[in-house]
Amino acid sequence: AQKVTQAQTEISVVEKEDVTLDCVYETRDTTYYLFWYKQPPSGELVFLIRRNSFDEQNEISGRYSWNFQKSTSSFNFTITASQVVDSAVYFCALSEARTGANSKLTFGKGITLSVRP
Amino acid sequence: SAVISQKPSRDICQRGTSLTIQCQVDSQVTMMFWYRQQPGQSLTLIATANQGSEATYESGFVIDKFPISRPNLTFSTLTVSNMSPEDSSIYLCSVEAVPGAETQYFGPGTRLLVL
Repeated sequence: AQKVTQAQTEISVVEKEDVTLDCVYETRDTTYYLFWYKQPPSGELVFLIRRNSFDEQNEISGRYSWNFQKSTSSFNFTITASQVVDSAVYFCALSEARTGANSKLTFGKGITLSVRP
Repeated sequence: SAVISQKPSRDICQRGTSLTIQCQVDSQVTMMFWYRQQPGQSLTLIATANQGSEATYESGFVIDKFPISRPNLTFSTLTVSNMSPEDSSIYLCSVEAVPGAETQYFGPGTRLLVL
């Protein structure tokens, strides 16, 4: 069975600090997908990134960067120069690619990030 | 991506009643999903709703409690039946906009409070 662990529950930083959100996953499949979603106070889940298991290249998008390491089963998310608008709950999720069957997302418990001015 | 809307956005209901939540997508999609997010918790998949077939429920969720309809490729409903305070949650629908892409896009959610 697949599992996603986000050991950090709450993180509080001051604006402009860098912050890293950790995600560790478990799966028996060789083909899988990893995701990060942001849930601001409004409640909507916003898709941030998808990574497949064959692509270990790190990715940078503006102030956001992701570090995928299969050797440690981790997919960490770093926000550089954090801003108040980054305050939200961040979920890491895993999907096992199942041929001929529906994809199923397994979510971690989420990390509440508070960025103080 | 896809633009997804849900109705109602929030509701307060009495125990023992039922509420039907609607999910509308701006494009045709094969797969739609319904999730529950209990207060302060993560998301749990309730069921997968594919057009033209019965919904597939996850362990712990049953059709009598959460009947789902999927009449076409852009619309689905989830009913929360015979509600109790434990059903107070955010209910979210999601879609896989591109078949096989594995990426799910979520609606804004329906916040339900059961008294």
